[in-house]
Amino acid sequence: ETGVTQSPTHLIKTRGQQVTLRCSSQSGHNTVSWYQQALGQGPQFIFQYYREEENGRGNFPPRFSGLQFPNYSSELNVNALELDDSALYLCASSSDRGYVGGYTFGSGTRLTVV
Amino acid sequence: AQSVTQPDIHITVSEGASLELRCNYSYGATPYLFWYVQSPGQGLQLLLKYFSGDTLVQGIKGFEAEFKRSQSSFNLRKPSVHWSDAAEYFCAVGTMDSSYKLIFGSGTRLLVRP
Repeated sequence: ETGVTQSPTHLIKTRGQQVTLRCSSQSGHNTVSWYQQALGQGPQFIFQYYREEENGRGNFPPRFSGLQFPNYSSELNVNALELDDSALYLCASSSDRGYVGGYTFGSGTRLTVV
Repeated sequence: AQSVTQPDIHITVSEGASLELRCNYSYGATPYLFWYVQSPGQGLQLLLKYFSGDTLVQGIKGFEAEFKRSQSSFNLRKPSVHWSDAAEYFCAVGTMDSSYKLIFGSGTRLLVRP
């Protein structure tokens, strides 16, 4: 049973650019949640996808968007990058909505915006 | 609004000593509570969770936590710390909306003295 895989592990982008982060969910999981973890902070919920539909969104602007594919993998897209977007982005999959089914977290993508 | 407070940013203990990490939550109903650990460069690993029942919860790696409703607390304990326990620890509360997301505290970094 594979875990959650995120790619890339690190990347550096320039302010104003766009970025796409990818997440392969654990086998058998149909829900993917994305969290942003700024340096020295706890993870903050961005949004969740359940069976390819957005199912809940945190306090993030519309330039944060996502997709979930039929194989339940997911993408997080961020447009018009700002310096404050620099963070570790964590993907978590589960077999039911959110923590009910038990989250499996990936190791994250470290995004640096310069 | 739901929130989680971890009042200790850093804690240093000697190897073999006991450990208690504090967590206070704000939630109107019976909370679903979690403790996660994050090692450098890693995602989040679930240590234990409380949904209902016995207020003393046993987890992995010898950790336990006690839910105290009267104090709105869910403190994490370990009787004897090992050097490998050095990591960041996050307390979280689960929401009851459709996303069943987690709201995390800001974390406590545990340092272990040899």
